[in-house]
Formats: sequence, structure tokens, C-alpha cells
Amino acid sequence: EPEVTQTPSHQVTQMGQEVILRCVPISNHLYFYWYRQILGQKVEFLVSFYNNEISEKSEIFDDQFSVERPDGSNFTLKIRSTKLEDSAMYFCASGSWEGNTIYFGEGSWLTVV
Amino acid sequence: SQQGEEDPQALSIQEGENATMNCSYKTSINNLQWYRQNSGRGLVHLILIRSNEREKHSGRLRVTLDTSKKSSSLLITASRAADTASYFCATAGRAGGTSYGKLTFGQGTILTVHP
Repeated sequence: EPEVTQTPSHQVTQMGQEVILRCVPISNHLYFYWYRQILGQKVEFLVSFYNNEISEKSEIFDDQFSVERPDGSNFTLKIRSTKLEDSAMYFCASGSWEGNTIYFGEGSWLTVV
Repeated sequence: SQQGEEDPQALSIQEGENATMNCSYKTSINNLQWYRQNSGRGLVHLILIRSNEREKHSGRLRVTLDTSKKSSSLLITASRAADTASYFCATAGRAGGTSYGKLTFGQGTILTVHP
């Protein structure tokens, strides 16, 4: 069964460093998302991406965050200058069309020290 | 309660028993999706129910949706120890709205099935 894959599975970074989290969505999907889950808390929406542009973003997704689809397969989340409170599990997700099932990857654990 | 709130927060049952988890939400939705998460792992999609549907089945799972009460329930029948996980409902906004396609998650129900 097709799946969303994410790398790295774990990353430890120093505060202030830039981090890029990578995702390969399911191949025929057109809608892409990033979510995050701080330990013990809800899964929170960060951003949605369609047709090579951001379609919606949450208030969490401030200027330190950016997303890119550099080629036909990868979808990346960049955090420019990490803060301690960015420590979380980051999930990439994709969907084939609006209103359909959204499939999530296994997540990337980010620890900022 | 907030959009996509589950209850109970924790449920502990014996193998073979049924587990029922409930979810309430506040705004109009296009669909509601249930996910499972094993500790520290990814979100596994279980079932999607659309706003014009009232009940759906998938294997041992049964989901109901009552849009008049803005609530949904997930029933797992004949539970197994392997069903031990957190279960989340997530709502997707209506077409034409800015939240269309974006999921809003609840806090989840932690289900423990004892062998």
C-alpha cells in the first residue's frame, strides 16, 4: 500500500540552527500538509500546500517556517532558526483530492537543545 | 469543548470486550476521520465518514455520525491487545471554506486492552 515517507525519523539540533524535514507524499496525491504534535498534546495543523503554493497556514506557521516542493516527489518543511518550543513530532500528510482521506507519515521527532 | 474532543480520555478493557469512543465537534464539517496512534508512532487512518453519512463499517470498526448533535462514535468490537493505542477523531471543514481539507484533531482517547 502506498505510504507517506518522512526523513529523518529523529533529529537533535541546537537552538538557532536551521532544520529541514523531508517528506515524500503518496505519488498521485495533490494536497500536502504538515502537522506537529508536541509531546502529550494534540496534533496541530501547520500548513497546507496545493498547486505549488500554500493554501492555508495556522498561526503557528510564522516567518521562521517555510515549505517547498523542490521537485515532483519531495515536500519539505524548513525551520530557519529553531527554538526550544519547536521540539515536537512533525507529521507530513497528503491527500488525493479535497475532502478525501488524508494519509500521514510516521513523523520526524525534532528535539531542540 | 473544543473542535474534535474525544471522550473518555482513557479507556481500559479486557480482550474480547467492545470499546466505544466518542467525539464532539463545534463547526460544520465535510467529513470526520478517525486515526490510531501507537506510542511515539505515526497516525494510521482508520475510517472516514462524510457529513451526509450516518454509519460506516470497516472490519471490526463501526463509526456513526450525528451531524445534528455534532458528534461521532467509534466502536471497536471484540477488542484485541494489539488495539491498545491512542485514538483520535479529526474533522475537515466544509467545501468552499478556508479550512477545507485541513484537519482539526481532538485530544484523543487512550485505549488499553488487557490480554
